Amino acid sequence: ETGVTQTPRHLVMGMTNKKSLKCEQHLGHNAMYWYKQSAKKPLELMFVYSLEERVENNSVPSRFSPECPNSSHLFLHLHTLQPEDSALYLCASALRVSHHNEQFFGPGTRLTVL
Amino acid sequence: KQEVTQIPAALSVPEGENLVLNCSFTDSAIYNLQWFRQDPGKGLTSLLLIQSSQREQTSGRLNASLDKSSGRSTLYIAASQPGDSATYLCAVSPYSGAGSYQLTFGKGTKLSVIP
Repeated sequence: ETGVTQTPRHLVMGMTNKKSLKCEQHLGHNAMYWYKQSAKKPLELMFVYSLEERVENNSVPSRFSPECPNSSHLFLHLHTLQPEDSALYLCASALRVSHHNEQFFGPGTRLTVL
Repeated sequence: KQEVTQIPAALSVPEGENLVLNCSFTDSAIYNLQWFRQDPGKGLTSLLLIQSSQREQTSGRLNASLDKSSGRSTLYIAASQPGDSATYLCAVSPYSGAGSYQLTFGKGTKLSVIP
């Protein structure tokens, strides 16, 4: 595996379910990001991690809970979501958390909340 | 607050045509600007990154220009092909300050190249 991978690629869940999205990067990067892409809206940054420490939480509801156990893995734990949370969730990584460093994106997880 | 606008929202052209996609941003204090390609339901692929000190970057049939003072960038695609059909996103990173790693994205231009 190379680059940034995400699993699952598609997820359908009810509002009372608990699920997790997984992201893994094979680039030796130290920074990882979660983005949300809703229909007809620009990509929105949700969370940023630098060396497993969260450095940004962009006013994201607590029903989204990120976890970064090491610099290669990033999770997004989901519980009691709303239908408006249906979106494409993209993970990205960069060498460091800095505007100097290009971000590399994964293929995304298409989430549908019923 | 930085805002990025991409016009048009959608574009359809016959194969072989040259085309230009536009991106504008409200705050000229940027560190760099990136153009990405996104295929339906897929992640983003970086096409070109222009540093604020640069005027343009080229990769194959793609040429991106940057006019920081006027807050504009264009992506020129030469001799378009059906495989170029995708959504093209523009993103800028701020020059400095808190959250300077944050990219601000436009909504994208959906390109269809008709065979």
